[in-house]
Amino acid sequence: GIQVEQSPPDLILQEGANSTLRCNFSDSVNNLQWFHQNPWGQLINLFYIPSGTKQNGRLSATTVATERYSLLYISSSQTTDSGVYFCAVEGVGSGNTGKLIFGQGTTLQVKP
Amino acid sequence: KAGVTQTPRYLIKTRGQQVTLSCSPISGHRSVSWYQQTPGQGLQFLFEYFSETQRNKGNFPGRFSGRQFSNSRSEMNVSTLELGDSALYLCASSLGQGRTDTQYFGPGTRLTVL
Repeated sequence: GIQVEQSPPDLILQEGANSTLRCNFSDSVNNLQWFHQNPWGQLINLFYIPSGTKQNGRLSATTVATERYSLLYISSSQTTDSGVYFCAVEGVGSGNTGKLIFGQGTTLQVKP
Repeated sequence: KAGVTQTPRYLIKTRGQQVTLSCSPISGHRSVSWYQQTPGQGLQFLFEYFSETQRNKGNFPGRFSGRQFSNSRSEMNVSTLELGDSALYLCASSLGQGRTDTQYFGPGTRLTVL
């Protein structure tokens, strides 16, 4: 099955700093999503981005499907950005429909 | 539009018991997927239902089962609970149409097995 690797596993930033999170995947995908998991466990959708570039406020994401990676950029980080960021992909084929494969996540801590 | 809801939010059971978790998807969504999150294994796919049919299943023992009703609400059941079943169980809903589909997650049910 598809392997998803995220880096770095942990990241500590000072408030106001910028960061880049990376997600590598091992095969072609139909779906790629970035999530932020809040302290209560809920996964918050950040981006649906199987290819291309999207921006939402201080966050932006780029997926280069042909090279099998995606990047999540956080600019001017705030303490509320702290938490775990997950990349998840859905492989090609009917056997993968509705089945997201998650990376192990990047734990971000933003210090005031 | 209301989001995905899960009940109960917290549950404590003892080994050997069984448990049923419920998930109500976003209105209009016909696909519901279930995931288990543990510190050791991370987030793992359990199964996915669309129009009352299980379309895909992850690598979990038969003690884990699910179903979907005609209104798209879904339940998952775990029988003969083991300590290792303690986890956060998350469900996600999506339109379920076509190849590309954003999944939206509920708040989860935190199950503790004693």
